[in-house]
Amino acid sequence: GENVEQHPSTLSVQEGDSAVIKCTYSDSASNYFPWYKQELGKRPQLIIDIRSNVGEKKDQRIAVTLNKTAKHFSLHITETQPEDSAVYFCAASSGGSGYALNFGKGTSLLVTP
Amino acid sequence: DGGITQSPKYLFRKEGQNVTLSCEQNLNHDAMYWYRQDPGQGLRLIYYSQIVNDFQKGDIAEGYSVSREKKESFPLTVTSAQKNPTAFYLCASSMQPNTGELFFGEGSRLTVL
Repeated sequence: GENVEQHPSTLSVQEGDSAVIKCTYSDSASNYFPWYKQELGKRPQLIIDIRSNVGEKKDQRIAVTLNKTAKHFSLHITETQPEDSAVYFCAASSGGSGYALNFGKGTSLLVTP
Repeated sequence: DGGITQSPKYLFRKEGQNVTLSCEQNLNHDAMYWYRQDPGQGLRLIYYSQIVNDFQKGDIAEGYSVSREKKESFPLTVTSAQKNPTAFYLCASSMQPNTGELFFGEGSRLTVL
């Protein structure tokens, strides 16, 4: 099945700085790449997603880029705020091997004031 | 109030006992999923169902069983065959399998004593 690698596992930035989280996937047939945010003690929630026919998507301070040739995609958070502190998960559709999302292991982001 | 409800929130079980985790959704979603979350391991897919009376194994299905007799319900049974069942279990649903937003429940934490 699909294998999704996510880096780094932990990331600490100062408030106002940018944060970048990177993911790679193995199945070239994957066509849907969402990012989920999980705050401490809460359920994961979708924050942004991108489909394979698009190279970049932005929503206010967050953006996702996709490089299909290299099979990697990244989450960019600009002007970070303490409330951005959470665990972020990337995911990819499993393409021909099934119909469920496969998740990366997560990145714990800490934004310090 | 629409959403996904998981119960119980906390569950303790003795070794050798089966236990069933409940997941109910009133979002009229076709697809439902069970993920297991362990520290540093991300979200790993146990089982998923795209339609009533049909379900498929995920990456870590061994020791688990599910049923999908109704669209709203997707219970997960953790059997005594699961070697390391202590974990946080998340149920999710989506309108469309594979390329739709996942809506997660609040999770069930199972501890085997």
